[in-house]
Amino acid sequence: KAGVTQTPRYLIKTRGQQVTLSCSPISGHRSVSWYQQTPGQGLQFLFEYFSETQRNKGNFPGRFSGRQFSNSRSEMNVSTLELGDSALYLCASMEGGSNTGELFFGEGSRLTVL
Amino acid sequence: KNEVEQSPQNLTAQEGEFITINCSYSVGISALHWLQQHPGGGIVSLFMLSSGKKKHGRLIATINIQEKHSSLHITASHPRDSAVYICAVRRFGNEKLTFGTGTRLTIIP
Repeated sequence: KAGVTQTPRYLIKTRGQQVTLSCSPISGHRSVSWYQQTPGQGLQFLFEYFSETQRNKGNFPGRFSGRQFSNSRSEMNVSTLELGDSALYLCASMEGGSNTGELFFGEGSRLTVL
Repeated sequence: KNEVEQSPQNLTAQEGEFITINCSYSVGISALHWLQQHPGGGIVSLFMLSSGKKKHGRLIATINIQEKHSSLHITASHPRDSAVYICAVRRFGNEKLTFGTGTRLTIIP
């Protein structure tokens, strides 16, 4: 089985722009969650989707949004980029809807905002 | 005070040593995850625990729900074990993952 695939792996944007990141979960996995990792704040939960519905959301401003498609692929969008949005964005997939399942992470998308 | 505290923050040891990394949390949880992150960013899930003890190869993870504490042990440590180890808990109620700040482990040959 292919693992969790995130695209793009690296990208550079300027302040004020927007960005869309993609996550393809492991085949058969219906839950996708997103995380932001920065040197200062560490890993933080962004949101979680299951069967196209947002199930949980972290404490991030409305500029951060996401969605999940019927094939379980997920995208997250950050609008009006700020310098502080520079981070590694990770997604993880989980097989079912249980919150006690194992997580499988992608390699991440490294965003640099100039 | 963070909901999830890890210790130590940094740990350097000689190859072959027995390693222990600790995680304490302050909230009720439904599960606790131990994660490994190598330079470059990719994260691998090592264990998911809700009670007791799990073993995989040279790695052992334990959790004490009453004391709100978990430990990750590495036996016969090897330089390839050098990585950041992160504890994460899933809270009862909102089920969001909350992460510890990580333990940077360096194993010297």
